Amino acid sequence: QSVLTQPPSASGTPGQRVTISCSGSSSNVGTYTVNWYRQLPGTAPKLLMYSTTHRPSGVPDRFSGSKSGTSASLAISGLQSEDEADYYCAAWDDSLNGVLFGGGTKLTVL
Amino acid sequence: QVQLVESGGGVVQPGGSLRLSCVASGFTFSNYGMQWVRQAPGKGLEWVAFLRYDGKSKYYADSMKGRLTISRDNSRMTVYLQMNTLKPDDTAVYYCAKDLAPIIVTPAAIGHWGQGTLVTVSS
Repeated sequence: QSVLTQPPSASGTPGQRVTISCSGSSSNVGTYTVNWYRQLPGTAPKLLMYSTTHRPSGVPDRFSGSKSGTSASLAISGLQSEDEADYYCAAWDDSLNGVLFGGGTKLTVL
Repeated sequence: QVQLVESGGGVVQPGGSLRLSCVASGFTFSNYGMQWVRQAPGKGLEWVAFLRYDGKSKYYADSMKGRLTISRDNSRMTVYLQMNTLKPDDTAVYYCAKDLAPIIVTPAAIGHWGQGTLVTVSS
């Protein structure tokens, strides 16, 4: 069971704005930055957001990250069909001395 | 461009051992921390291990602590994951991964992933 809690699923229609949450605790999200990864079926994950709010080059500005207290969020605006994928948050945890991944959120574009 | 190529996966009996290898290219290997992340069939991602760029510190997931050794050979641009006393629950695709930024002393964002190697633990 993941200590970082994500909703198992999310959905939206093309053009909509969708938010995926990642809830943790003071030993992880509350203290450290959060990274987000996207995984298309049958492929390796890819970095989508790092240090909570930074986009790697090539990631469009439709994607944004934020954090408040022990919860982080990934927002996708102008939803497109190609955004359909699994999304994972991750953060360092200083009580475990390791990295935690969220359980993942399957995003469906209706 | 950055490439990470894993090998060493396969079928192993419970209690057995495997050593995974990951050969890197396209970047200054000795400047980057390396990680292993696994994904059981149909499940989410699980972080496994990290090795600092200079090999001076290592971190392991609690679920596999005591059964893993991560190591690197910077001259061969290769990172290894020795896995012992394997259990059926260890069945997963194991991804080799490179830190996004150089000279980081704890696991950072993963900038590049390999394609993964499948480990199946079954009798």
